[in-house]
Amino acid sequence: DGGITQSPKYLFRKEGQNVTLSCEQNLNHDAMYWYRQDPGQGLRLIYYSQIVNDFQKGDIAEGYSVSREKKESFPLTVTSAQKNPTAFYLCASSIERQSNEQFFGPGTRLTVL
Amino acid sequence: RKEVEQDPGPFNVPEGATVAFNCTYSNSASQSFFWYRQDCRKEPKLLMSVYSSGNEDGRFTAQLNRASQYISLLIRDSKLSDSATYLCVVSTWTDKLIFGTGTRLQVFP
Repeated sequence: DGGITQSPKYLFRKEGQNVTLSCEQNLNHDAMYWYRQDPGQGLRLIYYSQIVNDFQKGDIAEGYSVSREKKESFPLTVTSAQKNPTAFYLCASSIERQSNEQFFGPGTRLTVL
Repeated sequence: RKEVEQDPGPFNVPEGATVAFNCTYSNSASQSFFWYRQDCRKEPKLLMSVYSSGNEDGRFTAQLNRASQYISLLIRDSKLSDSATYLCVVSTWTDKLIFGTGTRLQVFP
């Protein structure tokens, strides 16, 4: 079954700790994205990658880092520099371009205590 | 002005009703338009792409009005299972997708 997986579904961390969210896809998509969703707000783009070993900042990249060593994987690290990390994090992928249909993983709900 | 604007709702409608949502966008150079559906605490899922000539998928009809810069979604014969938040999504000239904040629909028996 083709799709995008994210783990874990729920994550709790203490303030000041870095945490890495996993995202894997077996759709053979070139492009992958990370968004965060906060109540009452639209999805906001954190980082995206259109090809292995290359990625670009989105609108709210501060306090986050990513890597794209494999086509299938695009992990996101939420660092202690992120001022308000508690949110719902969604990973997505698409064929080639951002403006193509994007497929989403089930999301990770991060709570920083 | 927000790049994509939607009425947050909620729209409360009885089963069987017809309901319509509008979404306005600010960038006249936008090329791609989508409606996504998001259930509570779940990921968004593509409902339908929106084409210039309008398109229909079963009970759902999407239309694009480039002159007035809005897209619409019409749901006929509403079902309880249609209760969700509907996200309007528009591309920008930089090829980025902009997500609206969503319109919440609640269908009651």
